[in-house]
Amino acid sequence: DQQVKQNSPSLSVQEGRISILNCDYTNSMFDYFLWYKKYPAEGPTFLISISSIKDKNEDGRFTVFLNKSAKHLSLHIVPSQPGDSAVYFCAASARTGTASKLTFGTGTRLQVTL
Amino acid sequence: DAGITQSPRYKITETGRQVTLMCHQTWSHSYMFWYRQDLGHGLRLIYYSAAADITDKGEVPDGYVVSRSKTENFPLTLESATRSQTSVYFCASSEHKISGANVLTFGAGSRLTVL
Repeated sequence: DQQVKQNSPSLSVQEGRISILNCDYTNSMFDYFLWYKKYPAEGPTFLISISSIKDKNEDGRFTVFLNKSAKHLSLHIVPSQPGDSAVYFCAASARTGTASKLTFGTGTRLQVTL
Repeated sequence: DAGITQSPRYKITETGRQVTLMCHQTWSHSYMFWYRQDLGHGLRLIYYSAAADITDKGEVPDGYVVSRSKTENFPLTLESATRSQTSVYFCASSEHKISGANVLTFGAGSRLTVL
């Protein structure tokens, strides 16, 4: 049972436009949500996070929005740049005892075209 | 080198062979994790460790063994490799945090092919 879902396997956006990547989750116990970016032949790198008690977090060109009632979050990239072309993973954490593990979605491949 | 390193980066093996993937981190992070990445499944947790000599199963532990005798090392062993274990394996580490997002830092990955 996929607790974190990214229903769009791929997205193509023109340079300078907004990229919106979506993520849905089912577990209401998740306390933090994170976005990771992954280039080919590299490990995922952390991009931005949001606490479940917030509805927005912004860091430069990247903004994450959380809608708890809909169990939905989105990552907005404005303006999109060719270097943003990568696979983006949504992840959620739930604290179990002293451990806080991440559950990942299946990823969305973003291509930013010139 | 500082950071988290995985070896080997690429490995081809045959069904039934034992394979060990190594992971080493220099930050003295408490937590270490092993994930596998497969098309259509994203990243799935295999095993994790909260400290030396403490390990626990993740989502897909069958066919894998881990150990953590030292804080900095977290090897993953496939005792008898199967074709379904062909995947890209990522090791990650994180600090122990009482609050805040648990940000994992990943290694570059080990691509394993089982023939």
